[in-house]
This record gives sequence, structure tokens and C-alpha cells, in this order.
Amino acid sequence: QITLKESGPTLVKPTQTLTLTCTFSGFSLRTSGVGVAWIRQPPGKALEWLALIYWDDDKRYSPSLKSRLTITKDTSKNQVVLTMTNMDPVDTATYYCAHISLNWYAFDIWGQGTMVTVSS
Amino acid sequence: QSALTQPASVSGSPGQSITISCTGTSSDVGSYNLVSWYQHHPGKAPKFIIYEGSKRPSGVSNRFSGSKSGNTASLTISGLQAEDEADYYCCSYAGSSTWVFGGGTKLTVL
Repeated sequence: QITLKESGPTLVKPTQTLTLTCTFSGFSLRTSGVGVAWIRQPPGKALEWLALIYWDDDKRYSPSLKSRLTITKDTSKNQVVLTMTNMDPVDTATYYCAHISLNWYAFDIWGQGTMVTVSS
Repeated sequence: QSALTQPASVSGSPGQSITISCTGTSSDVGSYNLVSWYQHHPGKAPKFIIYEGSKRPSGVSNRFSGSKSGNTASLTISGLQAEDEADYYCCSYAGSSTWVFGGGTKLTVL
């Protein structure tokens, strides 16, 4: 059974860097065709895809946020980390991590999400 | 890379069918048969209900179906039930391993 859980600060100040960790179980990021993505949802707004890292360490970013995002993986710890620099109140959102399989090119299992508020 | 366009809301009575559209461009929906749909009850994790435009994962009710024509994908829910009331999002592969979501549609079961 695949599970994912997001963790990180609930409150960050403007201009600070956000670091979120996705800890997963039930699969390995050494397995071909597997990846972990980060997706966010501001309050009352739509889902937005942020970044993705694949088993082979290929990394992809949303073009609009690319300059602020870094995604990395620690295969031994079954973790994926997302950092977002220069946080702004508009980045206030629930941040989800999700498993993706290239068997069906979809985010098939999601974490419960973690709410991050950006405020001074 | 702009968000895919979905109607903000749709509604239907129990037992009826509704269709939610998802319009993209020739760079995403129109180029790839890789549209997925997600059901999201607020406060819960989104649930994956359709992939590759029209395929259902194991365990998803056959009341959910998907299709695509040109740059527009669609999700149809037949035999509406109260538990279907949720937000629905489409998502398309947009090339170079990037993804784009739709703006979301709130389904109200009257």
C-alpha cells in the first residue's frame, strides 16, 4: 500500500525559504517509471502542479515557478524534499505530494497535504 | 503554460448525468492522450478517477467516464449520487515532463 505524508512549517515569513518533506512508503524511487510530484492549492483556488522528480533523478518544474523551486530525493530515507525561495503571501496554500507512475501518467496516490501560511 | 479551462460549477439531481469540460490547447490536451481527472472533497486528499482520457483505475465506479475531442476533454458522471458532490479537476501532460491542471469545477448534487 502506497502512502505519502507531507511535513514542514505551518507558518513562514515573507522572503523566507520554505522546505517541505514528503515521506513515503510502499514504493521505491529506485523503481523505473516512478516519480513524486508536488502540487499546491491556495485557499479557494485550483490545484497547481509545482515540480516532479523521477526515479532516474530527472527533475521538472513549473515554468512559472522554476526559478524559486528545487526538488531533491533521498532514496535511502524514502523522502522527497521541495524548497521554495522568496516566499510571498500568495504562496499560502495546502501543499500536496503525490506518487506518479508512468504506467498511466497520472498522480495516482496523494498525501493528505500540509497547510503553509506566509505572513509576517 | 496556462491552466486548463473548466466551468466553475455544474449541478444535477440524483440519478441524472452531468458532463464537465476541460479545454486546453494544442500543446497539452490536444497533443497528448494523457488527461487525468481527480475528485476532491475539501479537506481530503484528491482521488484519481480517470487516466489517459478515458480509462478508470481499479475500484473507481463505472458511473465515471472520460472522453476527448481535439483540445477538449470531458468527464461524465452518470447516475448522480449525493457522495459525488465535490470539486473535480482535470490535468494534462504538457510535454517535457510538465503538467497543467484545470481551474476546477464544483459539482453540486441538488
